[in-house]
Amino acid sequence: DIQMTQSPSTLSASVGDRVTITCRASQSISSWLAWYQQKPGKAPKFLIYKASSLESGVPSRFSGSGSGTEFTLTISSLQPDDFATYYCQQYRSYPLSFGGGTKVEIK
Amino acid sequence: EVQLLESGGGLVQPGGSLRLSCAASGFTFSSYGMSWVRQAPGKGLEWVSAFSDSGSSTYYADSVKGRFTISRDNSKNTLYLQMNSLRAEDTAVYYCAKRYCTGGDCSFFDYWGQGTQVTVSS
Repeated sequence: DIQMTQSPSTLSASVGDRVTITCRASQSISSWLAWYQQKPGKAPKFLIYKASSLESGVPSRFSGSGSGTEFTLTISSLQPDDFATYYCQQYRSYPLSFGGGTKVEIK
Repeated sequence: EVQLLESGGGLVQPGGSLRLSCAASGFTFSSYGMSWVRQAPGKGLEWVSAFSDSGSSTYYADSVKGRFTISRDNSKNTLYLQMNSLRAEDTAVYYCAKRYCTGGDCSFFDYWGQGTQVTVSS
């Protein structure tokens, strides 16, 4: 089974900051990685697939990169609506698996 | 507009059973793979089970294998999760989620339901 590890678990930042979240896979998953945003009490929102492809309607300040075992989600200029928890998910093989999440909070 | 609406959650004693439902609309339900994902209180997302596009394959997390059964009724556009031998650690919000595309390497989720709470406690 593929284990996904995110870091940091919590990140404190200010509006306008550039923010980077890391996701590591326990074995190569090529580019089969998705990113989601979740706000308290809400379902996750899909952001990025195939490591770097932005879903339609997602602001361009979000970007993803990486392949193999190491991936990053970058928010180029943090906006008030971006304070949330972010999860990566591998879909290289079943069982599917998520990272533990990164909470982006206000500094 | 794609909509997924879960129901069937509630309070159940350890060892008990529940059946969750997810009513889908706004897309050709029979063409898409579907999954259940859960989130324990204050914890992260955990994938639970999936049904393939073709409907011929099912997949389970080790934590629920042998206790949970995923099924679907394409005539009713509904996904189910039968949960037996429930444990305290199964307490979570359960989401159903739609696979992004049909076929290919796309077992990620573009639409999610609002979730249904399952609480296992005596």
